[in-house]
Amino acid sequence: DVKVTQSSRYLVKRTGEKVFLECVQDMDHENMFWYRQDPGLGLRLIYFSYDVKMKEKGDIPEGYSVSREKKERFSLILESASTNQTSMYLCASRRTSGGPYEQYFGPGTRLTVT
Amino acid sequence: AQSVTQLGSHVSVSEGALVLLRCNYSSSVPPYLFWYVQYPNQGLQLLLKYTTGATLVKGINGFEAEFKKSETSFHLTKPSAHMSDAAEYFCAVSGPGSSSASKIIFGSGTRLSIRP
Repeated sequence: DVKVTQSSRYLVKRTGEKVFLECVQDMDHENMFWYRQDPGLGLRLIYFSYDVKMKEKGDIPEGYSVSREKKERFSLILESASTNQTSMYLCASRRTSGGPYEQYFGPGTRLTVT
Repeated sequence: AQSVTQLGSHVSVSEGALVLLRCNYSSSVPPYLFWYVQYPNQGLQLLLKYTTGATLVKGINGFEAEFKKSETSFHLTKPSAHMSDAAEYFCAVSGPGSSSASKIIFGSGTRLSIRP
C-alpha cells in the first residue's frame, strides 16, 4: 500500500513563528502536492513539485514556500505564520509513469495559529 | 482550462435510500475523473476513477459512477446508503500526462449525511 505520512496531526503555533510541515511518501512518486482545506472552499493547491528540486506555484502560494531535496520528502514552510493560515493542510503524491495518475493523500495536519 | 462543479454542498438521505452526488466538469482534453471520500479528520481516499474504456466505473464500498461525455458529467451513486457512508465527497478532474496541465482540479465537495 502507498503510504503518505505527515509529521504532525495537530499543531499550534504563534503569530510570526516559522513553521515547517513535513510530508514523506514511500512509493517513489515523482509528483508531490501541498493543499490547504477550508470549509466551503474545498482543496486549494499551494505548491506542486514535479520532481526533486522542481517546484511550481499553485493557486495560493503567498506566505508559503516549499523544499524538495529528496524524492520522498516535500516540506511546506510558513515563513511567518499568521492567523489566516489556520487551516487543515494536506499533502499528496502521485506517480507519473504508466498512469492512472490518482493522488494519494496523507492524513492531514490541522494547524492553528494564535 | 479544467474545472469541476459539484451540485449541492450538502446532501441528506435516509439509510437504505439511493445516494446520488452530482459532478459536472469542463476540460479541453480527454479527462481523467476521480471521486474521493474524506472521513472526519482524515485525508482523502480514492473511491473510484475513470481513465479510458468502460464508462461505468465501480469503486469501493458499493459506489459507482458513470462518465457521460455528452453531458460532461460524472455522477456518483450507491443503491442503498449506510450510516458509515456519512462523509465529504470530492469530485476531481485532470488531463492525461505529467505536465502541469495534468494537475488535478478538485470540486468544492459535498457533505453526505445519512438519516437513521
